[in-house]
Amino acid sequence: GAVVSQHPSRVICKSGTSVKIECRSLDFQATTMFWYRQFPKQSLMLMATSNEGSKATYEQGVEKDKFLINHASLTLSTLTVTSAHPEDSSFYICSAREVNGNQHFGDGTRLSIL
Amino acid sequence: DQQVKQNSPSLSVQEGRISILNCDYTNSMFDYFLWYKKYPAEGPTFLISISSIKDKNEDGRFTVFLNKSAKHLSLHIVPSQPGDSAVYFCAASRASGTYKYIFGTGTRLKVLA
Repeated sequence: GAVVSQHPSRVICKSGTSVKIECRSLDFQATTMFWYRQFPKQSLMLMATSNEGSKATYEQGVEKDKFLINHASLTLSTLTVTSAHPEDSSFYICSAREVNGNQHFGDGTRLSIL
Repeated sequence: DQQVKQNSPSLSVQEGRISILNCDYTNSMFDYFLWYKKYPAEGPTFLISISSIKDKNEDGRFTVFLNKSAKHLSLHIVPSQPGDSAVYFCAASRASGTYKYIFGTGTRLKVLA
């Protein structure tokens, strides 16, 4: 089946550091990828929709200058958390959408900012 | 504004019995619904979906029921197995699933051996 690889799976870094998370669709081309954030015992909150070759569409309340998204190819989208602070600590998950509309999720990235 | 709600945060069921997970939505524009299963520190995995033109979809031990008038869907797992223990999320979308997914808050299912 379709596989989405997300890397790294875990990041621990100091406050003020910028962190880049990669999301790759391994066996299909994804014109659209999605980035979610999950707080403990809460839902997956959609942060932004990443479209290949164009600017990402951010959900209300998500700072686009804080969470930079780049979707440079049909198989890769990156999320960069700039100048991360402890409140940015969370579980970030990406998904990639196939042409038929099915979404496949990565295994997530646990981000811990000290 | 939580458009997709799962009002039961947890559910415990005996092995072999039926598990019923519920989900309610508020947006009448949703026409495609999905259930995902999630283990800790992993991404969600797709279980089953249903289009609004149907009221039931079955796949092995999993059946999803949709009541459009009540804006309610449910996932039935029968018989429940210990390996089914996980967090289950329902999700809703528009335009037959080509639109973004809106997730519920999840229900933690524990199947007791």
